[in-house]
Amino acid sequence: DGGITQSPKYLFRKEGQNVTLSCEQNLNHDAMYWYRQDPGQGLRLIYYSQIVNDFQKGDIAEGYSVSREKKESFPLTVTSAQKNPTAFYLCASSAVTGGGETQYFGPGTRLLVL
Amino acid sequence: QKEVEQDPGPLSVPEGAIVSLNCTYSNSAFQYFMWYRQYSRKGPELLMYTYSSGNKEDGRFTAQVDKSSKYISLFIRDSQPSDSATYLCAMSAGGYQKVTFGTGTKLQVIP
Repeated sequence: DGGITQSPKYLFRKEGQNVTLSCEQNLNHDAMYWYRQDPGQGLRLIYYSQIVNDFQKGDIAEGYSVSREKKESFPLTVTSAQKNPTAFYLCASSAVTGGGETQYFGPGTRLLVL
Repeated sequence: QKEVEQDPGPLSVPEGAIVSLNCTYSNSAFQYFMWYRQYSRKGPELLMYTYSSGNKEDGRFTAQVDKSSKYISLFIRDSQPSDSATYLCAMSAGGYQKVTFGTGTKLQVIP
C-alpha cells in the first residue's frame, strides 16, 4: 500500500525536552511538508522540503527543526525553544497532477505537554 | 484579511439533504483548487481537485469554481451521516506554488 505514515500517534513532552516526530512516505514524492493544526486556525506550515538535503522554513518555523537525508523520510524535531507545542502535527507529501500540486497527508501526531 | 476565507460552521443538515460548502479568496493568481475531508483526529483526505474554472463531479460530490467571483463550492448530494467531518478548501497558483488552506467548515449530518 502506498501512503504516508506518522509515528507516534500520541507524544508527550516534558518541559525542556526535545522530541522528534517521524514521517515516512512510499509514494516516491519529491516534496514533503510539516503542518501544525490548532483549533480554529487551520493548517500552518512549519517546514517544507522539495528535494533531498534541502528544506525551507515555513510560516512558523521557530522552535522546530527538520532534516531530509532520504527521499522517503522527513522527521520533525520540536525543540525546547517551542513554548507552546501542544497541537496536532500533520506531515504531507505532494505531486503535481492536473496542473497543480496535490498534497497527501499522513494520519497525524498529537503532541501534548506534561 | 486572510487570502482564503471559509465559514467554520458548524453546519447541521438532515440526512439526504444537499450540502453546499464554500470558500472565497482574494488572490487572483489562484487557479488550482482542492477540497479535503478531515474526520476528527485524522489527517485530511483529498476529495477532489479542479484546475481553473468550471465544475467537476465525482459520485455525490461536485466541485465548482467561479474565478470571476473568487468563489469555490463543494456540493454533496444525498448527504449521509458518514459525511460528518470538517471540510477544508485549498488553493494555489499551480505547479509547486504555495498551497493555501482554508480553516475548514465542520459539517454534521443528522440521521
